[in-house]
Amino acid sequence: SQTIHQWPATLVQPVGSPLSLECTVEGTSNPNLYWYRQAAGRGLQLLFYSVGIGQISSEVPQNLSASRPQDRQFILSSKKLLLSDSGFYLCAWNEQHYGYTFGSGTRLTVV
Amino acid sequence: SQQGEEDPQALSIQEGENATMNCSYKTSINNLQWYRQNSGRGLVHLILIRSNEREKHSGRLRVTLDTSKKSSSLLITASRAADTASYFCASLAGGTSYGKLTFGQGTILTVHP
Repeated sequence: SQTIHQWPATLVQPVGSPLSLECTVEGTSNPNLYWYRQAAGRGLQLLFYSVGIGQISSEVPQNLSASRPQDRQFILSSKKLLLSDSGFYLCAWNEQHYGYTFGSGTRLTVV
Repeated sequence: SQQGEEDPQALSIQEGENATMNCSYKTSINNLQWYRQNSGRGLVHLILIRSNEREKHSGRLRVTLDTSKKSSSLLITASRAADTASYFCASLAGGTSYGKLTFGQGTILTVHP
């Protein structure tokens, strides 16, 4: 069966420090992968999506970047975090006819 | 940007009552999906309704879709305290969208025992 792993669950980082959040998928090949951010428990904003290795599309201008070094690995990064980068980050993969499967999320607090 | 709007923003009911949440969207869609999120957790897919469907059932869930009004509703019947969560609608645009979903702002449902 397909599963998705996302870590860490929580992270507290100082302003200006780097960031790396990792997401891996098991049980499927060539999935569409997505990074969303959720502010204050409300709606989700799509940050990046990827339809294949090395293929990254950014939805909004921001301080973050994403990479897909392997088929089932999706990484969200920043060189220097800002206070405004705080939020709940969710990775997801798409099975077209059945909706998204989400990871458990990473709560990032930038202090 | 978030194109979906949901109402109510918050809903508080007693166990056994029905809960109805509404969602509107702006562009033509391929399908519309509903998700549930327990506090501090990831979202869980509940049900998907395609643009050519008008109603769909899954257990105690009933979803309707009105493409002429660009709206959908989620009905939870005979609610339970365990249904307490946030509920989000998400639309998949028609055409080449790479599976990108646009989420609404969500409805916070509280079911009192």
